[in-house]
Amino acid sequence: DVVMTQSPHSLTVTLGQPASISCRSSQSLVDSDGNTYLNWFQQRPGQSPRRLIYYGSKRDSGVPDRFSGSGSGTDFTLKISRVEAEDLGFYYCMQGTHWPLTFGGGTKVEIK
Amino acid sequence: EVQLVESGGGLVQPGGSPRLSCAASGFSFSSYWMTWVRQAPGKGLEWVANIKQDGSEKHYVDSVKGRFTISRDNANNSLYLQLNSLRTEDTAVYYCVRGRSGLDYWGQGILVTVSS
Repeated sequence: DVVMTQSPHSLTVTLGQPASISCRSSQSLVDSDGNTYLNWFQQRPGQSPRRLIYYGSKRDSGVPDRFSGSGSGTDFTLKISRVEAEDLGFYYCMQGTHWPLTFGGGTKVEIK
Repeated sequence: EVQLVESGGGLVQPGGSPRLSCAASGFSFSSYWMTWVRQAPGKGLEWVANIKQDGSEKHYVDSVKGRFTISRDNANNSLYLQLNSLRTEDTAVYYCVRGRSGLDYWGQGILVTVSS
């Protein structure tokens, strides 16, 4: 199975400051069709996960542009340019290239 | 608006066999792969199973193979997960999710608690 390793496990960020979460996969996530199936999800307290980023860097409709995804192959990053109070919660990366699909362990974002 | 509404959870004894349902609306259900993802209390997300548009292809995580069965009814826009031989470690919120590799829309989740 592809292991998805997220870091850090938790992050405390001052409002208005940037934040960055890393996700590394144990195998390349480039599929035979040329796409990279790497997603980022946000899960606010008490809510279902919400997809923020797909194909590693494409932002979903309605997602604020302070969220950005980057990376390729096995190394990916989610960045929040200026953290807002509503950004608190857990963030998960997930690979959809290889069976079984696998998630990272999650990163807890807290606001200072 | 895409909506996914799960039902069928609750308290189940070890070895029990509930069936989870997901009612889909707001999109062409028969055009999408569908997926179940679960989250144990206080833990992260785990992909459980998914099914192709016409039901001809199904995939499962190893820990549920032979115990869980995913199915769908495109005429009624419904997704199902038959849970058999439940163990305490299957206790989780189960989410119905649209997609195969993208997982773009999630239901609110349904809690299944396996306990005697």
